[in-house]
Amino acid sequence: EAQVTQNPRYLITVTGKKLTVTCSQNMNHEYMSWYRQDPGLGLRQIYYSMNVEVTDKGDVPEGYKVSRKEKRNFPLILESPSPNQTSLYFCASSLLGGRSYNEQFFGPGTRLTVL
Amino acid sequence: GENVEQHPSTLSVQEGDSAVIKCTYSDSASNYFPWYKQELGKRPQLIIDIRSNVGEKKDQRIAVTLNKTAKHFSLHITETQPEDSAVYFCAASWGYQGAQKLVFGQGTRLTINP
Repeated sequence: EAQVTQNPRYLITVTGKKLTVTCSQNMNHEYMSWYRQDPGLGLRQIYYSMNVEVTDKGDVPEGYKVSRKEKRNFPLILESPSPNQTSLYFCASSLLGGRSYNEQFFGPGTRLTVL
Repeated sequence: GENVEQHPSTLSVQEGDSAVIKCTYSDSASNYFPWYKQELGKRPQLIIDIRSNVGEKKDQRIAVTLNKTAKHFSLHITETQPEDSAVYFCAASWGYQGAQKLVFGQGTRLTINP
């Protein structure tokens, strides 16, 4: 089944404790992206990647890191989480990013709480 | 950068009536406008999209219109049904250094009353 998976689905942590949220897709998509969803603010892009070893900042990259060592995986890293990073996080992927503007497929979401 | 404003934030309609959600965007370079539906506790899913070279697109009960001059686009749902209840997000996208930057509106919570 073609899908985007994220782990963990739920996470409660404390300020300053490094964490990684994994994202994996099995559709051979070049483009992957991370969003955070907050009430009243919609979905905001954190980072995106056009292909392996190619990443770039979205609109709200502060406090986050990403890597794209393999085409199927795009982990989101919070080196020192803070309470303002409490949010619902979505990973998404699409085929042929750029001018093709293909549909983005979203993962199931990760609800993160930072105490 | 691009800014997308979406209205209303909440919308309640009677089953069978029509619902309209409106979005405006700021960057005239935007040329792709998708709409996503997010049911409670679920992930966003694309329901319809429109490109800047088209003024209107329809898919069964759902239609989207685009006014490039005014920089606004709208989602129209006719003959609403209970399963249309969800949060709807509009978005605008353009090619930026060859990448796909998608900027979302704030969302509209649509409730269909039986």
